[in-house]
Amino acid sequence: GESVGLHLPTLSVQEGDNSIINCAYSNSASDYFIWYKQESGKGPQFIIDIRSNMDKRQGQRVTVLLNKTVKHLSLQIAATQPGDSAVYFCAENIQGGSEKLVFGKGTKLTVNP
Amino acid sequence: GAGVSQSPSNKVTEKGKDVELRCDPISGHTALYWYRQSLGQGLEFLIYFQGNSAPDKSGLPSDRFSAERTGGSVSTLTIQRTQQEDSAVYLCASTLGRGLTQYFGPGTRLLVL
Repeated sequence: GESVGLHLPTLSVQEGDNSIINCAYSNSASDYFIWYKQESGKGPQFIIDIRSNMDKRQGQRVTVLLNKTVKHLSLQIAATQPGDSAVYFCAENIQGGSEKLVFGKGTKLTVNP
Repeated sequence: GAGVSQSPSNKVTEKGKDVELRCDPISGHTALYWYRQSLGQGLEFLIYFQGNSAPDKSGLPSDRFSAERTGGSVSTLTIQRTQQEDSAVYLCASTLGRGLTQYFGPGTRLLVL
């Protein structure tokens, strides 16, 4: 849904652990989802995307899971590294509709060495 | 080639002044987006350009905000009579075409005193 941020959720993990970042979306018509990583002072960087005809997609050390029944999206990062510390945003879009992305409020991931 | 570039990287201005923010999209990308990110918040859609079509201005917060895209490439976001609440990071993104992944620039950090 629309980004309405009050306090940024945070997740703190130990280096080498797996991380799971969650995102709830509100528009059941959304059919394309993207995860972005934003490091301090930089623009968002594309990580991985998934279309609604899939429920899982894997990249290098990352996996995105989509549960359309409960409108939930998650990003799993394997063997988390200090360089993974950043704010992670999910974004949703309706293909064929408006081309704008609707962003979630983000989760701040801190990886402790 | 180069990614999306934005200038200036930082801008400090006084309340009531006008500012212009520039975005150079990735060469060949036909779609260009502007977003605003307030401190600790997600990204708020402002405006979208696609080829020669009329821009989607539905996200512009007031008539003090305007944007243009010349020659289907460079875009300028103008904020007239700036207010302190305009202070934010202004991000530009571009895509190769409709419905494809958006690639972001580093942003312009605007501070209105």
